[in-house]
Amino acid sequence: NAGVTQTPKFQVLKTGQSMTLQCAQDMNHEYMSWYRQDPGMGLRLIHYSVGAGITDQGEVPNGYNVSRSTTEDFPLRLLSAAPSQTSVYFCASSYSNSHSGNTIYFGEGSWLTVV
Amino acid sequence: GQQVMQIPQYQHVQEGEDFTTYCNSSTTLSNIQWYKQRPGGHPVFLIQLVKSGEVKKQKRLTFQFGEAKKNSSLHITATQTTDVGTYFCAGRTAGNNRKLIWGLGTSLAVNP
Repeated sequence: NAGVTQTPKFQVLKTGQSMTLQCAQDMNHEYMSWYRQDPGMGLRLIHYSVGAGITDQGEVPNGYNVSRSTTEDFPLRLLSAAPSQTSVYFCASSYSNSHSGNTIYFGEGSWLTVV
Repeated sequence: GQQVMQIPQYQHVQEGEDFTTYCNSSTTLSNIQWYKQRPGGHPVFLIQLVKSGEVKKQKRLTFQFGEAKKNSSLHITATQTTDVGTYFCAGRTAGNNRKLIWGLGTSLAVNP
């Protein structure tokens, strides 16, 4: 049981490049999400999904796309990287988004630098 | 909008001293969770509080949920260097459209 696995751990991009951060969970969780973490800003929700085939925008969705073709996978795509997207990205999952049983499990993070 | 204010932002203590971080919500919460993030690591779930006035303990950590379900605290007794990290609260709003609102975290440094 690996939990939440995200790759790559570190990435340097040039402005304008695109890339995909991969995320997979093996806990059969319905709810998955992507956060970015910047100094002094806490955790900000980018996109989330309540189940396969369903995605929605979070607090800071601009410049990012997601898809959820399977329960296990929830990739995050940066369409045209900008220096403002330099951040640490965390993928997370939970059993549901309901009142109970929603402990959030985080991946180990992806450190992205856009130059 | 709905907010969860977490204070203090930083705390520097001597090993053995106590530490408390507080979260105050602008709206009533259905529950609140606490997470710990070690430097360079990822947030890890500590506990969830659901009931009004609830108090839970995990060894040297004491978690409280206010009577009005709008505030919460985490108290660490006799800090150790292993307590170093950032502590986040995350409150889930009550009502039909439940959202999870994160505090900005309190970073704890412990001098040995």
